[in-house]
Amino acid sequence: EAQVTQNPRYLITVTGKKLTVTCSQNMNHEYMSWYRQDPGLGLRQIYYSMNVEVTDKGDVPEGYKVSRKEKRNFPLILESPSPNQTSLYFCASSLGGTGGGYTFGSGTRLTVV
Amino acid sequence: SQQGEEDPQALSIQEGENATMNCSYKTSINNLQWYRQNSGRGLVHLILIRSNEREKHSGRLRVTLDTSKKSSSLLITASRAADTASYFCATDIRAAGNKLTFGGGTRVLVKP
Repeated sequence: EAQVTQNPRYLITVTGKKLTVTCSQNMNHEYMSWYRQDPGLGLRQIYYSMNVEVTDKGDVPEGYKVSRKEKRNFPLILESPSPNQTSLYFCASSLGGTGGGYTFGSGTRLTVV
Repeated sequence: SQQGEEDPQALSIQEGENATMNCSYKTSINNLQWYRQNSGRGLVHLILIRSNEREKHSGRLRVTLDTSKKSSSLLITASRAADTASYFCATDIRAAGNKLTFGGGTRVLVKP
């Protein structure tokens, strides 16, 4: 089944403790992206990647890192999480170019206390 | 403000009725897409309409695009309780590769 898999689904952590949210897709998509969703602010793009070893900042990149060492994986790293990073996070992928709809993962609900 | 703005923010209808929601955007686009999100879940791609298309259908969904007005509409015909969800428009902007910018969404409640 074509899908984007995110883990974990839920995560509660403490301020300053490094964490990684994993994202993997099995569709050979070139384009991958991370969004965060907050009430009243909608979905905002954090980082995106147009191919292996090619990443770039989205609209709200502060406090986040990503890497794209393989085509299928695009982890989101929070080096020192803070409470304002409490949010619902989505990974998405697409074929890239100007053709494609996104396939979204199921989301990771992160709480930083 | 966001590239895509949906209207209305919330909509409540009876099962069997049609639901219409609108999306306005600001800059030239490659395409416009509509997504559905059930509460707290991932977004599901519904339909993509390219900038040179005016109307597109998929099952009970009908999307129109007016590039002169920079607006789009999503019509759900003969709605069902299972259509209860939030619906988002997203624009693929010409200068931004495959980046999608999402609007704030329309919450649709279909009452049985």
